[in-house]
Amino acid sequence: DAGVIQSPRHEVTEMGQEVTLRCKPISGHDYLFWYRQTMMRGLELLIYFNNNVPIDDSGMPEDRFSAKMPNASFSTLKIQPSEPRDSAVYFCASSTGWTVYNEQFFGPGTRLTVL
Amino acid sequence: QQPVQSPQAVILREGEDAVINCSSSKALYSVHWYRQKHGEAPVFLMILLKGGEQKGHEKISASFNEKKQQSSLYLTASQLSYSGTYFCGTEGETSYDKVIFGPGTSLSVIP
Repeated sequence: DAGVIQSPRHEVTEMGQEVTLRCKPISGHDYLFWYRQTMMRGLELLIYFNNNVPIDDSGMPEDRFSAKMPNASFSTLKIQPSEPRDSAVYFCASSTGWTVYNEQFFGPGTRLTVL
Repeated sequence: QQPVQSPQAVILREGEDAVINCSSSKALYSVHWYRQKHGEAPVFLMILLKGGEQKGHEKISASFNEKKQQSSLYLTASQLSYSGTYFCGTEGETSYDKVIFGPGTSLSVIP
């Protein structure tokens, strides 16, 4: 398997623009997680899905952030409008079952820079 | 609530040992350990469940003491490849608790 795939790997955009990050989880994994990593705040869980259904989005910073999972093989994280403080590395991860028993496989991340 | 990790950073010479600690203010069901090399994604090391178990991965092992709400990661005879940031993730006892990652411990192994 190719592992978790994320695109783009790097994104540079201007403040106010819409940004869409994409993730393809490992086939057969029914949990999908979106994380944000910054030097100041570390690795933060934004939202996670189980069988394409959002379970917990309490980590989403504000209404400018939204995430969808239209099917088992694709998820998006959208920021609209983007702000400089959204600059971070965004990771997508997937797992086969509930976290207590299963490791999470992380994608390579998308490095977002908002100017 | 984010777990606390100590130390924040450590520098070792090859062959030396190190301990990284992770503690939480709330009751835990499991502790997860990941390592992230610079510019790469976090990679899973191990999960420890309630029950005080220990686990090993190469020369890296860990213990989990749920009474003290803490876990320790032991790196023995460190190798250059051990360099990276180590994150612990804690999971509470509520059925649908999620894993919350600590701030990380930066480990540098030098020749």
